[in-house]
Amino acid sequence: AQSVAQPEDQVNVAEGNPLTVKCTYSVSGNPYLFWYVQYPNRGLQFLLKYITGDNLVKGSYGFEAEFNKSQTSFHLKKPSALVSDSALYFCAVRATGGSYIPTFGRGTSLIVHP
Amino acid sequence: DVKVTQSSRYLVKRTGEKVFLECVQDMDHENMFWYRQDPGLGLRLIYFSYDVKMKEKGDIPEGYSVSREKKERFSLILESASTNQTSMYLCASSLWSQGLGQPQHFGDGTRLSIL
Repeated sequence: AQSVAQPEDQVNVAEGNPLTVKCTYSVSGNPYLFWYVQYPNRGLQFLLKYITGDNLVKGSYGFEAEFNKSQTSFHLKKPSALVSDSALYFCAVRATGGSYIPTFGRGTSLIVHP
Repeated sequence: DVKVTQSSRYLVKRTGEKVFLECVQDMDHENMFWYRQDPGLGLRLIYFSYDVKMKEKGDIPEGYSVSREKKERFSLILESASTNQTSMYLCASSLWSQGLGQPQHFGDGTRLSIL
């Protein structure tokens, strides 16, 4: 079975400060890992993914994520937060050799204060 | 650009009604999914389809059925709507490509209220 944990329901950060949204996963074998963002009253938008290769993955809107196999983590980061980054963020995982159905975390609400 | 379109943004129905939620994608994707999203519970998979006329149950299929007669269209059916089916419903699609970790593309959701 595969699972994702997003340990923080909400993250607060001041505009201009770095932000981190945490994600840990459990999967049999190697993972595909994804981050999505959801703005109010909208569907999820794909931000970035890890398949293989470099542990640091860069994505849309200046976001990046670091894959850490030993800690089974895939934290989302951004060097300088914007108020417009305020949204709901979802981490998802699926096994490379298994079902193509991903498992989503419960989401983390990011609030960036002016 | 990739487009997943859900037919209604907001829908209000009555208990016991048969409800149809429609989803269309224009990307020739093999896989299509229906989720419901509830506060604190994240996304829960109701059904998915990996090809025309093919469907598989997800985590919470009870009270729902689906139809996929054409590749681009995936319909979710609430056979007899109940108040506990009030939720946000999200449709998604993806390429079938096991080796490339294809992401899902989501519609903007249908916020369904059952009175």
